[in-house]
Amino acid sequence: EAQVTQNPRYLITVTGKKLTVTCSQNMNHEYMSWYRQDPGLGLRQIYYSMNVEVTDKGDVPEGYKVSRKEKRNFPLILESPSPNQTSLYFCASKKDSKGTSAYYNEQFFGPGTRLTVL
Amino acid sequence: QQQVKQSPQSLIVQKGGISIINCAYENTAFDYFPWYQQFPGKGPALLIAIRPDVSEKKEGRFTISFNKSAKQFSLHIMDSQPGDSATYFCAVTPLDSNYQLIWGAGTKLIIKP
Repeated sequence: EAQVTQNPRYLITVTGKKLTVTCSQNMNHEYMSWYRQDPGLGLRQIYYSMNVEVTDKGDVPEGYKVSRKEKRNFPLILESPSPNQTSLYFCASKKDSKGTSAYYNEQFFGPGTRLTVL
Repeated sequence: QQQVKQSPQSLIVQKGGISIINCAYENTAFDYFPWYQQFPGKGPALLIAIRPDVSEKKEGRFTISFNKSAKQFSLHIMDSQPGDSATYFCAVTPLDSNYQLIWGAGTKLIIKP
C-alpha cells in the first residue's frame, strides 16, 4: 500500500529533551515536507526537501532540524524542544513533476504526530 | 507573505443541504487550487483541484467554482452527508513553483443528521 508513515503518533516530553520524529514514504517520491498544524492557523511548512541531501527552510523553521540521507526517509529533529512547539505535525511527500493535470501537485500526508512539550 | 483567506471558520449544515466554503487569495501568480479534506486523527487528503484555465470543476457531489477576476474560489458540497463532516483546507500553488502549497486556515464542517 502506498503510504507515508510517521512515528511516534503521540509523544509527551519535557522542555530541552531532544527528540526525533521519523517519516518514511514508499512511493519513491522526490519531494518531502514537514508541516505543523495549529488551530486557526492551518498548516505551516517547517522544512522541505526536493531530493536526497537537499533541504530548505519553510515558513517556521526555528527550533527544528531535518536531514535527507535516503530518498524514503525525512526525520524531523527537535534539539531542545520548548512548549511553543506543542503541536500536531504532519509529514508529506509528492512526486516532483510539473504536469498538466490538475492533480500534478498532490501531496500525500502521513497520519500525524501529536507532540506535547511540558 | 502571500496569504489565503478561508471562510467560514466553522459551518453546520443539515443533511441534504449545500455546504459552501470560500477562499480568497491576494496574488494572481498562482496556477493550482486544491481542496484538502481532513478527518479527525488523519492527515489531509486531496479532495479536488482546479487549474485557472477553467471556471468550474465537478466530481460527484463536490464542485470547485473559480473566479479569477475576483481572486476567489469556493468548494460546494451538494447533498451534504454526515460522512462529509471533516475539516476542509483550500490551498494555492505559486506559478513559479511545482511543490509549494500556501494553505488557508481551514473550515470545520459538521453535517447534522
